[in-house]
Amino acid sequence: GEDVEQSLFLSVREGDSSVINCTYTDSSSTYLYWYKQEPGAGLQLLTYIFSNMDMKQDQRLTVLLNKKDKHLSLRIADTQTGDSAIYFCAERTGGFKTIFGAGTRLFVKA
Amino acid sequence: GAVVSQHPSRVICKSGTSVKIECRSLDFQATTMFWYRQFPKQSLMLMATSNEGSKATYEQGVEKDKFLINHASLTLSTLTVTSAHPEDSSFYICSATGQGLTDTQYFGPGTRLTVL
Repeated sequence: GEDVEQSLFLSVREGDSSVINCTYTDSSSTYLYWYKQEPGAGLQLLTYIFSNMDMKQDQRLTVLLNKKDKHLSLRIADTQTGDSAIYFCAERTGGFKTIFGAGTRLFVKA
Repeated sequence: GAVVSQHPSRVICKSGTSVKIECRSLDFQATTMFWYRQFPKQSLMLMATSNEGSKATYEQGVEKDKFLINHASLTLSTLTVTSAHPEDSSFYICSATGQGLTDTQYFGPGTRLTVL
């Protein structure tokens, strides 16, 4: 079935880079997304990538897509304490459903 | 652009009462709206998908008569939790997509429901 998997926790020091990884199963996915959720809030779209791209950069964020391995990553450069949140990976499947991962909780230590 | 609001942000009600949550797209026409439920420290659970002017499609295991969804206009969808019980206490989040938004879902800020 369709599934998106992420590691549950990541801890980094302020100023370091964070890399959050995600794997998915639907090879016919069209878009892949990264969302950020802060405590008690909804999800904020950070960035998305078309499935025919392998990289997208947006300021401190770099998304890498390995379509062959169905692997997506989000790199946050110069991680700040304000980046502490839960990050959700999601894929838009070929069947037009959006499947979310369980979320990776990022802790940034000062 | 692509802002989604929810109202109320927080509601406390007594067991047995009904609660209505509104989801509005503020600057775009939402052809499709989604309702999710999120338990503490867990991912989103899709409850239902609604298209403007038609009946909502509920996910397996979600009671249609308990969670009433109405999507009467291109900017408003409502979720009514009927005869609420403490186990319905949760964080409810809506999202919306519209034409030209590359199928991206834009989320509301969520509604924290507590049933006493």
